[in-house]
Amino acid sequence: EADIYQTPRYLVIGTGKKITLECSQTMGHDKMYWYQQDPGMELHLIHYSYGVNSTEKGDLSSESTVSRIRTEHFPLTLESARPSHTSQYLCASSEGTRKIQETQYFGPGTRLLVL
Amino acid sequence: ELKVEQNPLFLSMQEGKNYTIYCNYSTTSDRLYWYRQDPGKSLESLFVLLSNGAVKQEGRLMASLDTKARLSTLHITAAVHDLSATYFCAVEGQAGTALIFGKGTTLSVSS
Repeated sequence: EADIYQTPRYLVIGTGKKITLECSQTMGHDKMYWYQQDPGMELHLIHYSYGVNSTEKGDLSSESTVSRIRTEHFPLTLESARPSHTSQYLCASSEGTRKIQETQYFGPGTRLLVL
Repeated sequence: ELKVEQNPLFLSMQEGKNYTIYCNYSTTSDRLYWYRQDPGKSLESLFVLLSNGAVKQEGRLMASLDTKARLSTLHITAAVHDLSATYFCAVEGQAGTALIFGKGTTLSVSS
């Protein structure tokens, strides 16, 4: 079973606030990802990282930023939350060695509501 | 641009019946994944299928991959209520970038 953690699990916040969603994994995985998922919809990639000091934007422009200072930690920051940011945010990681059976492991998610 | 399409998007089944979920993708990819998501939960990995047309089975679920047709199927045998969930297929983007997901198939199994 994968060890990937997200906090907070639920967050209700007012418009304009700055928030940081935390994601940590204890598996030593090089690759980490952030996805956004609206209820009943598919996942959209918003950021990914191949390792320390490596970050890339995904297909969905979410007005968020990420950092990767340590292998195990990949926080996502919204500088100014808006109601359009209301969604579920899923963090994932994978080993990054292109092993045959490599897969992405997902955290439990953070449900964000911006009022 | 890589696109992934699943059908059907909603599936209501009776217990004991068989059915197949289809996943088409638009361009060549190295591998294909199937995930399960229960309501309000995160994603659980079910299968990883490689480009060599592998077939994998776990319990009542069997996944297959036809790389020439760019098609994967998830076959459900003798459905039970516990299989009720949303099933996503996902395809890896270029050079091992993150996954591109289909819209998901929400399966409801009733007696």
